[in-house]
Amino acid sequence: KQEVTQIPAALSVPEGENLVLNCSFTDSAIYNLQWFRQDPGKGLTSLLLIQSSQREQTSGRLNASLDKSSGRSTLYIAASQPGDSATYLCAVQGGSEKLVFGKGTKLTVNP
Amino acid sequence: AAGVIQSPRHLIKEKRETATLKCYPIPRHDTVYWYQQGPGQDPQFLISFYEKMQSDKGSIPDRFSAQQFSDYHSELNMSSLELGDSALYFCASSASRDSQETQYFGPGTRLLVL
Repeated sequence: KQEVTQIPAALSVPEGENLVLNCSFTDSAIYNLQWFRQDPGKGLTSLLLIQSSQREQTSGRLNASLDKSSGRSTLYIAASQPGDSATYLCAVQGGSEKLVFGKGTKLTVNP
Repeated sequence: AAGVIQSPRHLIKEKRETATLKCYPIPRHDTVYWYQQGPGQDPQFLISFYEKMQSDKGSIPDRFSAQQFSDYHSELNMSSLELGDSALYFCASSASRDSQETQYFGPGTRLLVL
């Protein structure tokens, strides 16, 4: 059974800092990995999707990497802003269509 | 750009009542997924449909049923509601079952069972 773990569970940083969120998964037989952002009580916004054959994806200040063999992904956020404050969820898609989510990292960027 | 639409956005029900949640996927998306997110929990997959047929099933209680209609919208029917069914229910859609396709999530329906 696929299990996804995100570390740290919560992170507080000053504005402008570069930061890394970590995601690990137990079964490396995945099709893709997605990073989502969730604001309190709100829906899920897809940030980046990395196919199993890819090593990284970039969108603006966000860069996600994938090391499938070791079961790890990182989300790098450059020059963090208060508006980046949210919970970031990592999810993997394996042999079925469903996404298996981690419990998320709650990020707070302080002005 | 059009997004996934869910209705209602909020729903309050009593125990043992029935609820119906609706999902309207992004135009031209033929695959719909339902997820349940309990308070402080990560989203859990319930069920998915492709071209109006159930394609995958997760931890969906027998009290719940779902279907996808000819216009690709989907409905999640929940009967004999229990307190533990209180959660945020997300619908997602994708352009196909292809693993290269991103799942786009709707804003969710917040269900509170009293």
